[in-house]
Order: sequence, then structure tokens, then C-alpha cells
Amino acid sequence: DAGVTQSPTHLIKTRGQQVTLRCSPKSGHDTVSWYQQALGQGPQFIFQYYEEEERQRGNFPDRFSGHQFPNYSSELNVNALLLGDSALYLCASSRDREGEQYFGPGTRLTVT
Amino acid sequence: EDQVTQSPEALRLQEGESSSLNCSYTVSGLRGLFWYRQDPGKGPEFLFTLYSAGEEKEKERLKATLTKKESFLHITAPKPEDSATYLCAVQARDDMRFGAGTRLTVKP
Repeated sequence: DAGVTQSPTHLIKTRGQQVTLRCSPKSGHDTVSWYQQALGQGPQFIFQYYEEEERQRGNFPDRFSGHQFPNYSSELNVNALLLGDSALYLCASSRDREGEQYFGPGTRLTVT
Repeated sequence: EDQVTQSPEALRLQEGESSSLNCSYTVSGLRGLFWYRQDPGKGPEFLFTLYSAGEEKEKERLKATLTKKESFLHITAPKPEDSATYLCAVQARDDMRFGAGTRLTVKP
């Protein structure tokens, strides 16, 4: 049983560019949440997708957007990248919106 | 405002030296409290879910407990492979909120 997968593993972008990160949930899970984790900090909630709609959103600007596909996989898009967007981006999936979440390995984004 | 605070920030133990990690929270509408383990450069690994005060869960050398205001992760006779950052998270009405974690180092 494959767990949560994310791609790419690492990414280097230039300030002002746009980036798309991808996530496939654990088998049997229909809810996907995205988190940003800065070095030495706990994950910060970005948003959650369920039934292809954004259901909850943390305190992140509109530059951060997402999508969920019919097969429950998800994308995170970040526009107009800032140096401060450099972080580990984590995807987590769950059976429902409030269940325990299982995390992927993350995508390390570096903005130069 | 919902808050999750973990203490201590870092903890160094000798192998076999038992201790506890603390997670205190102020949340409206608690739906659940979760403990995760995170190794450097990797995603968090799920350990426990606790839903109500008085509840306890155990797994190998780890035991998690919950009161109305805090949770403890007790580590009994730790081994070097228990070295990691332990994260506490609270499912509130609107989001999942994480603490900053406790970085545990167990020396042989």
C-alpha cells in the first residue's frame, strides 16, 4: 500500500517565478491538506481540499492556491515567489476532514 | 486565538533515562490531539490520536496522555533510535495547528 507521495523532491526557483507541487494521497483517503514548514518550526496549515473544493484555509496570501482532482490527488501553486517562501512543503492525506493525517516526504523549495 | 506550545524545545537524555514531553493548548472546539515524530528532512510520522481528557495510548516505549489543557508524551527507557523531533498538533474547528516541536537526542 503506497503512502502519500509528493513530487518533486527538491526544487530551486528564482524570486518572482511560479511553482507547482504535486501530491498523491494514501489509498482510501479523500482529503488532502497542505503545510509549509520553515526550518526549526512546526508545519503551518495552508489549506485543505475535500471533494475537489478548498474547505479550510490558513493565514496564507492568495498567491498560494490549489486544486484537487477527481482521483483525489492535489496540486499546490505558488505565484510571484518570495525569498521567504523557501521551506519544506508537506502534503497530508486523511480519510475525512478531521481524521488523523498521514504525511508525505515533502518538497524542499528554495527561492533564490 | 488558538495556540499550541511544546516544551522543552530540546531535550538530551542518556539511553535508558525516562522523561516526558509537554504539549499545552488553548483551542476552541477541540476535535482531537495528535502526536507525530519527524526525522530531519522527512515528513512527520503519525504516532497517536487522543480525543478526550483521561485518554491514554501506548506504542513500544511511548505513552501519550491527555488532559483538558495539555498532553504528555512519556518516553520510557529511550534508545538512540528514538532521537527525533516530536510534534504535537491540535485539530480545532477550522484547522490543524502544530506546535514547534521538541527536539529529542538520546545518547548511547
